[in-house]
Amino acid sequence: GIQVEQSPPDLILQEGANSTLRCNFSDSVNNLQWFHQNPWGQLINLFYIPSGTKQNGRLSATTVATERYSLLYISSSQTTDSGVYFCAVERRGYSTLTFGKGTMLLVSP
Amino acid sequence: GAVVSQHPSRVICKSGTSVKIECRSLDFQATTMFWYRQFPKQSLMLMATSNEGSKATYEQGVEKDKFLINHASLTLSTLTVTSAHPEDSSFYICSASAGRGTGELFFGEGSRLTVL
Repeated sequence: GIQVEQSPPDLILQEGANSTLRCNFSDSVNNLQWFHQNPWGQLINLFYIPSGTKQNGRLSATTVATERYSLLYISSSQTTDSGVYFCAVERRGYSTLTFGKGTMLLVSP
Repeated sequence: GAVVSQHPSRVICKSGTSVKIECRSLDFQATTMFWYRQFPKQSLMLMATSNEGSKATYEQGVEKDKFLINHASLTLSTLTVTSAHPEDSSFYICSASAGRGTGELFFGEGSRLTVL
């Protein structure tokens, strides 16, 4: 199956700092999504981004499908940004999402 | 975005009993729904894919007789954990897509099952 690797596995930031999370994948994809899992377990959709660049407030994401990676940028981080960030991909020719292991982010005041 | 609702959010049951978890798409029709399982501090693992009106497709290693999935309508899928045991304790999350294949997936709130 497709391999999805996220880095870094853990990240600690001071409030106000910027960060970049990376997702590498091992095969061509039809779909790539970024999620934020809050402390209660809810998965929040951040971006649906099989290619290109999108921005939503302090967050932005870029997927370079030909090079098989995606980046999630968090600017001016806030304590409410804490949680686990997952990248998930749908391998071309398949119809299911495969998740990476996530990046655990802790933003301290 | 689309709204997917899951119920119950928490359930505690005795070993040997069965538990049903419901997943509903509230503002769209979901031809395909997916059930995931997440152990503490781990990622989400796909358990099965259910298509409305047909049998679910289970991932390798998932016991279809233990995890019964029914997708009888375009807005409801259910997961029944039969004869639950403590090792079935986990966080179960459903997701839904409005079209064939996945497109963008939307997730329910999750259901935390504890089997005593």
